[in-house]
Amino acid sequence: DTAVSQTPKYLVTQMGNDKSIKCEQNLGHDTMYWYKQDSKKFLKIMFSYNNKELIINETVPNRFSPKSPDKAHLNLHINSLELGDSAVYFCASSRERTSGSYEQYFGPGTRLTVT
Amino acid sequence: AQKITQTQPGMFVQEKEAVTLDCTYDTSDPSYGLFWYKQPSSGEMIFLIYQGSYDQQNATEGRYSLNFQKARKSANLVISASQLGDSAMYFCAMREGYTGTASKLTFGTGTRLQVTL
Repeated sequence: DTAVSQTPKYLVTQMGNDKSIKCEQNLGHDTMYWYKQDSKKFLKIMFSYNNKELIINETVPNRFSPKSPDKAHLNLHINSLELGDSAVYFCASSRERTSGSYEQYFGPGTRLTVT
Repeated sequence: AQKITQTQPGMFVQEKEAVTLDCTYDTSDPSYGLFWYKQPSSGEMIFLIYQGSYDQQNATEGRYSLNFQKARKSANLVISASQLGDSAMYFCAMREGYTGTASKLTFGTGTRLQVTL
């Protein structure tokens, strides 16, 4: 029973290509996120969607376009891939509450390598 | 300024000993939450423990406890009775604000913990 799943797990592609990463959560959460983890293991938020609406867009190049067809899915499309896009991309989800823990559950990550 | 600071890039601990991983944070928001995540070499991010800014007691989850010192803005993770399987990267993270939908986590740079025999 995978809670947050991502496909593919590994993605190797050439510069200039366009690629997509898919994310699905079966936790019934209403908020989903994309994070990028660079080669130094630093994790940074890219996007957040709540009920299919874009909430956070953290100065990410517009080559990156998230799409949320429904609140259980959040896909990431990347155009014109560059060497610097090589990283691990994590999808996460959480349930919004008025108090208490808001832990985010992470997917297994997608390791993107641009050559 | 860094919002989350983890000053220990690497730590060693012997099996069965306790270890403290440091985390300090910076926020002017009175409502915030602090989280610790574990990332083993397999790469997944595993939620460990949460502390809310208004929580009166330090959070505990099994062998994990959070030493929350609000005035010093620190939220150190204590792992008791370390096990070999605890070897991993540990990330401290903060969420600012309790309500609303802009619930991004800001992460520290991580501490790599190595448990030795």
